[in-house]
Amino acid sequence: AQSVSQHNHHVILSEAASLELGCNYSYGGTVNLFWYVQYPGQHLQLLLKYFSGDPLVKGIKGFEAEFIKSKFSFNLRKPSVQWSDTAEYFCAVGRGSTLGRLYFGRGTQLTVWP
Amino acid sequence: DAGVIQSPRHEVTEMGQEVTLRCKPISGHDYLFWYRQTMMRGLELLIYFNNNVPIDDSGMPEDRFSAKMPNASFSTLKIQPSEPRDSAVYFCASGGAEQYFGPGTRLTVT
Repeated sequence: AQSVSQHNHHVILSEAASLELGCNYSYGGTVNLFWYVQYPGQHLQLLLKYFSGDPLVKGIKGFEAEFIKSKFSFNLRKPSVQWSDTAEYFCAVGRGSTLGRLYFGRGTQLTVWP
Repeated sequence: DAGVIQSPRHEVTEMGQEVTLRCKPISGHDYLFWYRQTMMRGLELLIYFNNNVPIDDSGMPEDRFSAKMPNASFSTLKIQPSEPRDSAVYFCASGGAEQYFGPGTRLTVT
């Protein structure tokens, strides 16, 4: 069965610190990869996505993610976090051969202290 | 585009009552998804539709839950009878290769 693992349940950082959130998946075929962000009390919003091409993907608000196929990973990074980045971050994987269902990780809560 | 629209945004009901949640997907999207989010279980996929046809309902917790999509612009998720353990935020999402989420319905069953 398809599974998506986010290693960190809760990450606490100070402003200006660098961020890296891990995401690994178990599907061996072609994949579409996503990071979603959920700010407190809000719905999930697409942060960035990877379908093909350059494995380093840049998203909104200075976030980027790198797809490493050999490691089945799609880690999210940001060089310098801000207080406003406090949110929950979800990694999601879709099978590239078919549209439709995404498999979501359990999420990582990021808290940034000013 | 207004995005995915859900109603109501908040619902408080008593145990045993019927609850109906509504969703209007983004126009042109072929897929519609219903999710439930709780602190204990995280984000769970309940059911999804492709071109108004249910594709996978294996996430529907039990027979008390049902979902319909009578046309491309409307879907409902019904819980009958509701129980306190159904309290959660229910999200509708639409899309194809990627999904766009609605604002959610916060359901409280007392």
